[in-house]
Amino acid sequence: KQEVTQIPAALSVPEGENLVLNCSFTDSAIYNLQWFRQDPGKGLTSLLLIQSSQREQTSGRLNASLDKSSGRSTLYIAASQPGDSATYLCAVRQLGKLTFGQGTILTVHP
Amino acid sequence: NAGVTQTPKFRILKIGQSMTLQCTQDMNHNYMYWYRQDPGMGLKLIYYSVGAGITDKGEVPNGYNVSRSTTEDFPLRLELAAPSQTSVYFCASTRGQGGPNEQFFGPGTRLTVL
Repeated sequence: KQEVTQIPAALSVPEGENLVLNCSFTDSAIYNLQWFRQDPGKGLTSLLLIQSSQREQTSGRLNASLDKSSGRSTLYIAASQPGDSATYLCAVRQLGKLTFGQGTILTVHP
Repeated sequence: NAGVTQTPKFRILKIGQSMTLQCTQDMNHNYMYWYRQDPGMGLKLIYYSVGAGITDKGEVPNGYNVSRSTTEDFPLRLELAAPSQTSVYFCASTRGQGGPNEQFFGPGTRLTVL
């Protein structure tokens, strides 16, 4: 059974800092890995999707990497802003299903 | 495109009542999913469908039923509601199973069972 773990569970940083969120998974036979953002009381917004054959994807200040063989992904956020405060979820795709981690709660204070 | 829409946004049920959560997508996606999210937790898969007329159980199907009569709609039925079903329910869809296909999520239905 696939298990996805996200570390840390919570992170608080001052504005402007670069930060890394970690995601690990136990079964490397995945189709892709997706990073989502969830604001309090809201739905999920897709940030980045990395296919199993890819090593990284970038969108603006976000960069996600994937090391499928070791079962790890990182989400790098550059020059963090208070508007980045949210819960970040990673999810891996197998046989049409997504398995989610429990998320990292990020707080960026001015 | 409206994407994935869900109704209602909020609902309070009494123990033993039943209800249907509605989900519609206008992207002509084959795959649709229902997840639940408990406080401080990730999402858990309840049921999914790979096309009209085809459904299958996910990780936590007990107490729920689904149907998929059209490509667009994937309603989730709660029979005999229990307090353990208090949660936020998300519907999602994706075009295909392969690598580049993102899952798109609806805004969620917040359900409380008292």
